[in-house]
Amino acid sequence: DAKTTQPPSMDCAEGRAANLPCNHSTISGNEYVYWYRQIHSQGPQYIIHGLKNNETNEMASLIITEDRKSSTLILPHATLRDTAVYYCIVRDSGLGFQKLVFGTGTRLLVSP
Amino acid sequence: DGGITQSPKYLFRKEGQNVTLSCEQNLNHDAMYWYRQDPGQGLRLIYYSQIVNDFQKGDIAEGYSVSREKKESFPLTVTSAQKNPTAFYLCATTWGPSNSGNTIYFGEGSWLTVV
Repeated sequence: DAKTTQPPSMDCAEGRAANLPCNHSTISGNEYVYWYRQIHSQGPQYIIHGLKNNETNEMASLIITEDRKSSTLILPHATLRDTAVYYCIVRDSGLGFQKLVFGTGTRLLVSP
Repeated sequence: DGGITQSPKYLFRKEGQNVTLSCEQNLNHDAMYWYRQDPGQGLRLIYYSQIVNDFQKGDIAEGYSVSREKKESFPLTVTSAQKNPTAFYLCATTWGPSNSGNTIYFGEGSWLTVV
């Protein structure tokens, strides 16, 4: 199974960039990397996803290494409302089904 | 509006009772999932289904059962065999194969408490 590894927690000052890393060394060639975040007791919110190229949207940027074994989610100007748990997910199709395997998540705390 | 509806938001279960959590979607997605989340923990996969009348056990299926009689619905039953069912339950959906890059959608979750 494709697995992800994330640091359990990170801190960031308000207004600064938050860089959240994720390792996915067993990812296969056709599998996408997704990032979601979860605010306490709510359903996870989609942020961004990518295959091999760097991606950017209104919320964040996703940088994927050339070997695809790791990626970094960048929140360019973190606000207090970005405090949440961030999950890096790899779509796992090893069994022919779309099994969604979650990483441990990173708890990001944005401080004033 | 299109989306995923989970109900009820809060549910209390007495010891020995079975309870069913509802997950309905109008997104026409093929795949549906149930996750369990304990306080301060990540999401763990209970069951998933790629197509009607077919489903697979996830990592923590013991004490749970599901059905997929309709594409739109994927109810989760927490049986009396589940010894520690108090948790936050999340339903998710997506469509297409895993290499298509399509987004995964989540419901807002259901809280189950044993009393």
